[in-house]
Amino acid sequence: GESVGLHLPTLSVQEGDNSIINCAYSNSASDYFIWYKQESGKGPQFIIDIRSNMDKRQGQRVTVLLNKTVKHLSLQIAATQPGDSAVYFCAENQGSGNTGKLIFGQGTTLQVKP
Amino acid sequence: DVKVTQSSRYLVKRTGEKVFLECVQDMDHENMFWYRQDPGLGLRLIYFSYDVKMKEKGDIPEGYSVSREKKERFSLILESASTNQTSMYLCASSPPTGVLSNQPQHFGDGTRLSIL
Repeated sequence: GESVGLHLPTLSVQEGDNSIINCAYSNSASDYFIWYKQESGKGPQFIIDIRSNMDKRQGQRVTVLLNKTVKHLSLQIAATQPGDSAVYFCAENQGSGNTGKLIFGQGTTLQVKP
Repeated sequence: DVKVTQSSRYLVKRTGEKVFLECVQDMDHENMFWYRQDPGLGLRLIYFSYDVKMKEKGDIPEGYSVSREKKERFSLILESASTNQTSMYLCASSPPTGVLSNQPQHFGDGTRLSIL
């Protein structure tokens, strides 16, 4: 069946280090992927997205890598800051229709140690 | 910036009550979504709408209904609230998507609903 999953429920990093959050997906028909950040008491916030015709996309301090061969998605955060502490979700579209339905992973909690 | 506003941050209701959760977006988005978020279960889609007066069931529609009378507003209704509907409810919106025009969903800050 279709599923989107993150490899680790919690990731702890030192401030200033780079963070890598991983996500596996199983639907090879998915053609669009998104990373969200959710801080305590808030809704998920869009970080970055990538389409399946790309394997890398960069934003401000963030990079998303897509490996379609092994159905793997990762989010890299450079020079991690305390404000990056949050739960991070990956999401994929279902590859059909135009309604924008997404499937979400369980989330990885990023803890940044000062 | 996209603004998705949920009318209440916290809500406490009693078992058997009819509960209305309201969501408004200001970006003229066609698509709107209601999710619930529970520890260990992630975000689960309850209902979505891709146009005014249109609605589609998500993965867990039982016990819920929705209303989309205006493009900017999407309401979630708990017909007869039960304790297992205690949860965080999240509303989201997005423009119409297609093969070459995927768009992310934008979320409100959620309503934490407790059913006693």
